[in-house]
Amino acid sequence: SQQGEEDPQALSIQEGENATMNCSYKTSINNLQWYRQNSGRGLVHLILIRSNEREKHSGRLRVTLDTSKKSSSLLITASRAADTASYFCATRGAGSYQLTFGKGTKLSVIP
Amino acid sequence: DTAVSQTPKYLVTQMGNDKSIKCEQNLGHDTMYWYKQDSKKFLKIMFSYNNKELIINETVPNRFSPKSPDKAHLNLHINSLELGDSAVYFCASSQGSRGSGANVLTFGAGSRLTVL
Repeated sequence: SQQGEEDPQALSIQEGENATMNCSYKTSINNLQWYRQNSGRGLVHLILIRSNEREKHSGRLRVTLDTSKKSSSLLITASRAADTASYFCATRGAGSYQLTFGKGTKLSVIP
Repeated sequence: DTAVSQTPKYLVTQMGNDKSIKCEQNLGHDTMYWYKQDSKKFLKIMFSYNNKELIINETVPNRFSPKSPDKAHLNLHINSLELGDSAVYFCASSQGSRGSGANVLTFGAGSRLTVL
């Protein structure tokens, strides 16, 4: 069943601005991950946050997780044209084999 | 060296034909997956194998059959292709299948299937 839902579906910003994408999910999770997909390419793992964590940083990426609201956000600071891509959240339920992806947010960073 | 490689990258075929997509990973991972991405970018799990054993088999038509000759390979065979099978098929792998080792997927570049 579909788990994560990203919001917005599409986002267009100027280079240098921050980009925020949100993800909501429906059931209890073990962890939540964010992936990036450049046009015509496979998905690349960006960052993982476990259910007992609230915030995580990796370079210009900041991820938050609110398990009470079943939601997560991905913040990309000081965006660059090379950040143009689709971003997907994915959730893994406790004891589950399966990683379930949302529909993605398409980010366009205008130089 | 490509970590997860799929062949072919593009496949154009007629309805009713049978085709295969091959996937190989050189990461030493235990688990491999097939995902289907439709035209709206929705990514859906199809199958997963852990050490050659089928562990995920989502509701897909019987025309789709995965085969894993060893833990480094997971092929996808599709019989009697239909228009609705047109999509991008992604192979992925991960270390382990549950628990901390199963957390991160490494994807191949995708195989775009077009059925005419």
